[in-house]
Amino acid sequence: NAGVTQTPKFQVLKTGQSMTLQCAQDMNHNSMYWYRQDPGMGLRLIYYSASEGTTDKGEVPNGYNVSRLNKREFSLRLESAAPSQTSVYFCASSEVPSETQYFGPGTRLLVL
Amino acid sequence: QQQVKQSPQSLIVQKGGISIINCAYENTAFDYFPWYQQFPGKGPALLIAIRPDVSEKKEGRFTISFNKSAKQFSLHIMDSQPGDSATYFCAARGGNTPLVFGKGTRLSVIA
Repeated sequence: NAGVTQTPKFQVLKTGQSMTLQCAQDMNHNSMYWYRQDPGMGLRLIYYSASEGTTDKGEVPNGYNVSRLNKREFSLRLESAAPSQTSVYFCASSEVPSETQYFGPGTRLLVL
Repeated sequence: QQQVKQSPQSLIVQKGGISIINCAYENTAFDYFPWYQQFPGKGPALLIAIRPDVSEKKEGRFTISFNKSAKQFSLHIMDSQPGDSATYFCAARGGNTPLVFGKGTRLSVIA
């Protein structure tokens, strides 16, 4: 089992460009999450999907959109990247929202 | 609004010493308190977790102490080793909602 995988590992964007971060899990989990991690700020929830077909905003959703493509895949889209979105992005999954979350290795995004 | 306050931000401990990281919360609906460990360049991974029906949980050198009345919980790492150097996050969850994380503590264990 690969667990939670994320692509790409690292990306550089120019302000205004768009991109999609991909996440997939092979643990048959129902719930998936996107976090961003910034120095001194901890892990902040951007969006989550409690189950296939549902998505909900987290603490910092502005500037992002998500798609729960199927049970395995949950993507995060930046429509018009801004330097404030420079961060490390983590995807996670869990059986249900109340259970242990398993994290992917992260995507490092630099917006110039 | 930070729902889980974690301290200290950084901690330096001698090898063999005890590392202590503290967290406090306000929401009395929280019913699950995990700690995550994150090594540089990796995603966080569950280390140990506690529910409020017990005051302490121990797994090897790692212990969570929980004080429900004070709404505080802490992670103790006994006999700290250089391999324990990492960032530690406390978290809390109430009902069927996602975890709320503290801001993290960077632990350095020096020989």
